[in-house]
Amino acid sequence: ILNVEQSPQSLHVQEGDSTNFTCSFPSSNFYALHWYRWETAKSPEALFVMTLNGDEKKKGRISATLNTKEGYSYLYIKGSQPEDSATYLCASEYTGGFKTIFGAGTRLFVKA
Amino acid sequence: EAGVAQSPRYKIIEKRQSVAFWCNPISGHATLYWYQQILGQGPKLLIQFQNNGVVDDSQLPKDRFSAERLKGVDSTLKIQPAKLEDSAVYLCASSLGGRAFFGQGTRLTVV
Repeated sequence: ILNVEQSPQSLHVQEGDSTNFTCSFPSSNFYALHWYRWETAKSPEALFVMTLNGDEKKKGRISATLNTKEGYSYLYIKGSQPEDSATYLCASEYTGGFKTIFGAGTRLFVKA
Repeated sequence: EAGVAQSPRYKIIEKRQSVAFWCNPISGHATLYWYQQILGQGPKLLIQFQNNGVVDDSQLPKDRFSAERLKGVDSTLKIQPAKLEDSAVYLCASSLGGRAFFGQGTRLTVV
């Protein structure tokens, strides 16, 4: 059974702190890695999709990296703001059968 | 492109009543997910369908929750009977591999 692990499960930081979370995934038959931000009472928002080993994507203060050989991705937030408080979901996509597996998410709380 | 449609948007029921949610995914999307997000907790994947077959329902409380996806298109999620702790947002998503597209969710309040 394919399993995507995210850590930590939750994280409390102060405004202005930089932080990062991890998404670990099986690397066999890997095709793409997706990151989403899910704020309470809203639909999840797609942040990044990465496919190549070494890929780095950036959107404002948020960036992500991908290591397909060892099966992990990091999401970084620089200078966290209270509006960054959300659950960050990663999902790993595999070839053969259009299979996408979601992690359980990392819940980020940013205190002003 | 039409998005993932869910209904109803809001539902208030009494405990021990039954409730059903409906999801219409994006046309052609083979994979469909139902998520539960209880206020103050992280989202939980209840069930994942690939076409009309179940891929993962390990976190679905099968004593009271059921889901089906007839003909590999629309899906319904049912709770029977509901408990107070079922109050949550129920989110449906679909994908054709690749990026998942999410519906607006159904906010269930059990009183």
